[in-house]
Amino acid sequence: AQSVTQLGSHVSVSEGALVLLRCNYSSSVPPYLFWYVQYPNQGLQLLLKYTSAATLVKGINGFEAEFKKSETSFHLTKPSAHMSDAAEYFCAVSEKGNNRLAFGKGNQVVVIP
Amino acid sequence: DTEVTQTPKHLVMGMTNKKSLKCEQHMGHRAMYWYKQKAKKPPELMFVYSYEKLSINESVPSRFSPECPNSSLLNLHLHALQPEDSALYLCASSQDSQGDSGNTIYFGEGSWLTVV
Repeated sequence: AQSVTQLGSHVSVSEGALVLLRCNYSSSVPPYLFWYVQYPNQGLQLLLKYTSAATLVKGINGFEAEFKKSETSFHLTKPSAHMSDAAEYFCAVSEKGNNRLAFGKGNQVVVIP
Repeated sequence: DTEVTQTPKHLVMGMTNKKSLKCEQHMGHRAMYWYKQKAKKPPELMFVYSYEKLSINESVPSRFSPECPNSSLLNLHLHALQPEDSALYLCASSQDSQGDSGNTIYFGEGSWLTVV
């Protein structure tokens, strides 16, 4: 069964600094990978997704992620953090033929002024 | 803005009450989902409907009863809930449930349920 690992439940980043959230996946077949963001008291919003096209995926709000098969990773980055980036971020994986999403535990991002 | 609409946004109910959560999507999606999310945790899948038929029930207690009246609507009927059922209930939809093309699952804003 597919799974994802997100390390470090809380991530603090200074405003203007690089945001890096790590995601490693486990899948027996080529995976589909997603990053979702959840702002306080809201639902989940799709940031970006990888579905076997380009390995570098650009998403909304200046975020991007790179699929690295050799490292089984799909890390999320943003060059310069904004205060508005404070939120919970979830990495998720699904497999072809199965839309059952497996979520990581999430990263709570805090942006320090 | 999400295209999956959930009502009500907040619901407080007693343990003997019967209430329903409602979800609607107009994206032409044929798969709809209910997820439960506790604070500081990832969402947990409860039910999946595919082409208006229940395809997955993740061993959810019978006090939760899903219903899919048509391809755009999804309900979750609640009866005799427990305080530990208090959570954010998220509805979601996708093109289909097979994931053959990496179908994206789109989430609504959620319904906050408090059981007293």
